[in-house]
Amino acid sequence: GQNIDQPTEMTATEGAIVQINCTYQTSGFNGLFWYQQHAGEAPTFLSYNVLDGLEEKGRFSSFLSRSKGYSYLLLKELQMKDSASYLCAGHRDDKIIFGKGTRLHILP
Amino acid sequence: DSGVTQTPKHLITATGQRVTLRCSPRSGDLSVYWYQQSLDQGLQFLIQYYNGEERAKGNILERFSAQQFPDLHSELNLSSLELGDSALYFCASGGSSWDNEQFFGPGTRLTVL
Repeated sequence: GQNIDQPTEMTATEGAIVQINCTYQTSGFNGLFWYQQHAGEAPTFLSYNVLDGLEEKGRFSSFLSRSKGYSYLLLKELQMKDSASYLCAGHRDDKIIFGKGTRLHILP
Repeated sequence: DSGVTQTPKHLITATGQRVTLRCSPRSGDLSVYWYQQSLDQGLQFLIQYYNGEERAKGNILERFSAQQFPDLHSELNLSSLELGDSALYFCASGGSSWDNEQFFGPGTRLTVL
């Protein structure tokens, strides 16, 4: 994706916590999306952060620092079903620009 | 089931042809978004319509066009197709604001031979 950077792959253990980082260019930035996409399926919206700070939704939380151009998605109490790609996307100038996605592997 | 429907599920066609992809949003949603997902480009935002009007434009080629009808369903028209247009095309629907959750349809897989 254009100026949206996130790791290509990560591995974590069932029951653990994992943090997926995303950095972006701050110019013209409005907000930041996180999506989950299981292989062969459509993306599912997880969060949209506009303000600095942490937003929690059950086992998933998303953090944003506008000044640093940095976000992360935190997944707690990992389950096997969390094995998926996680897409970070910047909302800028009425466009959405996606990162390449982070493929998360969960080990039993 | 997100409540968003897309037809057809699969489409196989030849280079130079034209196709139309259709999307019906969730009941009550006024926005429709179109996305393209290919292996080399990843997920790309193409265009957004809100209540019949174009609201935002992303990486949509000039060979592609879209519209949203009074009943809020939307169509994405792809013309002069090239091999590189082979991809999954997703439609999503949502509310009036970008921070409203977007609900994705199952996608249309387009193969250009």
